[in-house]
Amino acid sequence: DGGITQSPKYLFRKEGQNVTLSCEQNLNHDAMYWYRQDPGQGLRLIYYSQIVNDFQKGDIAEGYSVSREKKESFPLTVTSAQKNPTAFYLCASHSVNTIYFGEGSWLTVV
Amino acid sequence: RKEVEQDPGPFNVPEGATVAFNCTYSNSASQSFFWYRQDCRKEPKLLMSVYSSGNEDGRFTAQLNRASQYISLLIRDSKLSDSATYLCVVRGDDKIIFGKGTRLHILP
Repeated sequence: DGGITQSPKYLFRKEGQNVTLSCEQNLNHDAMYWYRQDPGQGLRLIYYSQIVNDFQKGDIAEGYSVSREKKESFPLTVTSAQKNPTAFYLCASHSVNTIYFGEGSWLTVV
Repeated sequence: RKEVEQDPGPFNVPEGATVAFNCTYSNSASQSFFWYRQDCRKEPKLLMSVYSSGNEDGRFTAQLNRASQYISLLIRDSKLSDSATYLCVVRGDDKIIFGKGTRLHILP
């Protein structure tokens, strides 16, 4: 079945470390997105990519980086510059009529 | 004006009641509109797409008003299992914007 796979589902990071969240889709979608969600809050756009080798900053890109070397893959790196990275991270892509989500990754800074 | 605005709630509604949410959007060029449901600590799941002609799926009815730039969701005969956060989602040319969600609690 087609879909989006995010990994890892749970990740613990020490302060000062960079971590990379994986997002892979086999839906042949051009556009992919990363969102952050804090407890009791809505989804905020971090980065998005409309096509391979191109991506744009969303509303809260500071402290994050992405790459889009392949259509299927859109990894998100949470850098040490992100001061409050503990959150739920969602990767998404879309067709004309539907937005698809991965199951999300929970990142906790310890 | 925020790109997509929703009343955050919470809406506390007795089981069996009818409840309605609205959502407004700022970009008149927006192309697609959706309602998603999100349960606690889970990813959002598509509830229904929204069209100007209105669409119905069982107890759920969605409506788009392009002139006034708002989207509505109506839930009839609410069930305990309808308790969730309902996200209004708007897709433009280059990105997808989510509302912050409306929390709904159905009370027994």
